[in-house]
Parts: sequence; structure tokens; C-alpha cells
Amino acid sequence: DTEVTQTPKHLVMGMTNKKSLKCEQHMGHRAMYWYKQKAKKPPELMFVYSYEKLSINESVPSRFSPECPNSSLLNLHLHALQPEDSALYLCASSQRDRGGSDTQYFGPGTRLTVL
Amino acid sequence: RKEVEQDPGPFNVPEGATVAFNCTYSNSASQSFFWYRQDCRKEPKLLMSVYSSGNEDGRFTAQLNRASQYISLLIRDSKLSDSATYLCVVGADKFYFGSGTKLNVKP
Repeated sequence: DTEVTQTPKHLVMGMTNKKSLKCEQHMGHRAMYWYKQKAKKPPELMFVYSYEKLSINESVPSRFSPECPNSSLLNLHLHALQPEDSALYLCASSQRDRGGSDTQYFGPGTRLTVL
Repeated sequence: RKEVEQDPGPFNVPEGATVAFNCTYSNSASQSFFWYRQDCRKEPKLLMSVYSSGNEDGRFTAQLNRASQYISLLIRDSKLSDSATYLCVVGADKFYFGSGTKLNVKP
């Protein structure tokens, strides 16, 4: 089973709100990723966790704060977002973070709207 | 220069047609190659990995040319359900995505 789940499916938040996105996988994968995707653009990498440690931060603004509580879970905490942060946020996982060798499997995404 | 380049299309083809997409990559140290399919407002789904010897899965054939640094995807006997955006993904130090090629298969 190659399933990555994400909650919520949709999220509308104001610029002063604090919210969190959640991602879960039970494939025993040890690498997990957050991507942001705007309409008609490819996914843009935000963060990579490898063995529950942050290994890549693609210079993402601090209003996005990732957390990996255990090997199956990945959160993305949101605070003081801007309307331009509205996008589809995708979580992915792969067996290992071997510099892009293993296949990534994507969750269905959270569609975020910031008002 | 982008790490991975794809023709954005759209490719508009009739049902039953054969269509080919190409993708070029700039990093000669790239190790892994994939085609993903993404439907509108959905997540990317793995279509196939691409191996040096080339590989086929039903109507889909993927090829890798390391010398010229490109990968290709051939779809034979196109179906309406093949309409989607096809993303070329190359793994090096991390994963690099092409901008995607949109395919519209018409009746």
C-alpha cells in the first residue's frame, strides 16, 4: 500500500490565524517532504526530513514551521501567512532520503486559502 | 538554466493517437528518473520510473538517454483518460521537477 494521507483537505485561514497541516504514512518510509504547488506550476520543495531530522530547508519563510514528531508523521505549522501563500501543499514520502534516488509517493494535498 | 526542462504543451491529440514527450536535464550526476501524472487539482501520481535499458508498461514506454541527458515518454493508443499533465522528475542531490506537459486527448 503506497498511501500518504493528509488532513485537512481544504483550509481557509486569516492572516492572523495559526493552523497546522498534517501528513501520515505507514509504509516505513524514513524520508518525508513538504512541497508547495501553485496553479499550473510544478511542486516546489520546501522541507525534507530524513530519519526525523530536518535535512533540507529551501529558504522557506519562518511563518512555515515543520515538525516531525515520529517516523510516520509530518506536520506543517502555519502562522501569519500572506495571501500569496495560498496554494496546494503536498506531502510526500520515500524509503530513504538518498539524494533523490528513491521513488516519492505523494499525499492528496491540502488546498490552502489565505484571506 | 532550469535543472529539468519540458515542453509545456498543450498537446492536443485524437483518441488512438501516439504521443511522445521529451524532457532534458542538466546535471550529468543525476541518478534516478521518473514520470508522474497529475490530474487537475490532484496530487502527482507515479506513472513509471525510467531505467537505462528503457521500460514499458502497457501502452507507456519510457526511455533514458544518459549521453544526451534526456528522457522520453511514449503513449500509444491514447485514451480520453490519459488527459492530464505529465511531470518529468529527476533525482540528483534532491528531486527536480520539470514544469509539466499538458496532454488533451479528444474524442
